[in-house]
Amino acid sequence: GAGVSQTPSNKVTEKGKYVELRCDPISGHTALYWYRQSLGQGPEFLIYFQGTGAADDSGLPNDRFFAVRPEGSVSTLKIQRTERGDSAVYLCASSLRGVDTQYFGPGTRLTVL
Amino acid sequence: GQNIDQPTEMTATEGAIVQINCTYQTSGFNGLFWYQQHAGEAPTFLSYNVLDGLEEKGRFSSFLSRSKGYSYLLLKELQMKDSASYLCAVWGATNKLIFGTGTLLAVQP
Repeated sequence: GAGVSQTPSNKVTEKGKYVELRCDPISGHTALYWYRQSLGQGPEFLIYFQGTGAADDSGLPNDRFFAVRPEGSVSTLKIQRTERGDSAVYLCASSLRGVDTQYFGPGTRLTVL
Repeated sequence: GQNIDQPTEMTATEGAIVQINCTYQTSGFNGLFWYQQHAGEAPTFLSYNVLDGLEEKGRFSSFLSRSKGYSYLLLKELQMKDSASYLCAVWGATNKLIFGTGTLLAVQP
């Protein structure tokens, strides 16, 4: 079956702009995660959804970052007033229930000029 | 605090065996994962250990000692395509993975 998909694959924006990154998890997976990965680093946890609700958003760096999953499937990560420091690869992962193996999407490379 | 340590880089020869170590200190422990990540691609799942001991899966094996906070990934019969970053990740007390910085493995002919 299809894996985790993310769109767009690349996003270039200007400082101060608003961006939305989309994640389509594996069908039937109830848990969805967002991570941010900078060059030479491991993925850094941002937020975890179980179904429609954000079960843990402790990794969001500040209130410019927000994520939703209104129907318990597709999720959107929203970043307001982007800053150059937000440039990174944003990874999405899903798992069947939550406490099991996470499968990653290809990521969205965000560049803020 | 939470800390996961693994070597930054390693080099090995095609056909050889390489061991990548990972030590961790986390709040709680519910399992340890190894992922492989090729440059510009998503991490792909390799192994999961929750009990002490060795888990073997083809050319890849992973070992865990919970009392020592230690794991290793063993790659046998190295191939050029094994050149990648190998990420150690721990499932702590909460439902999120804490990743190490990754070990960049270069396999040379």
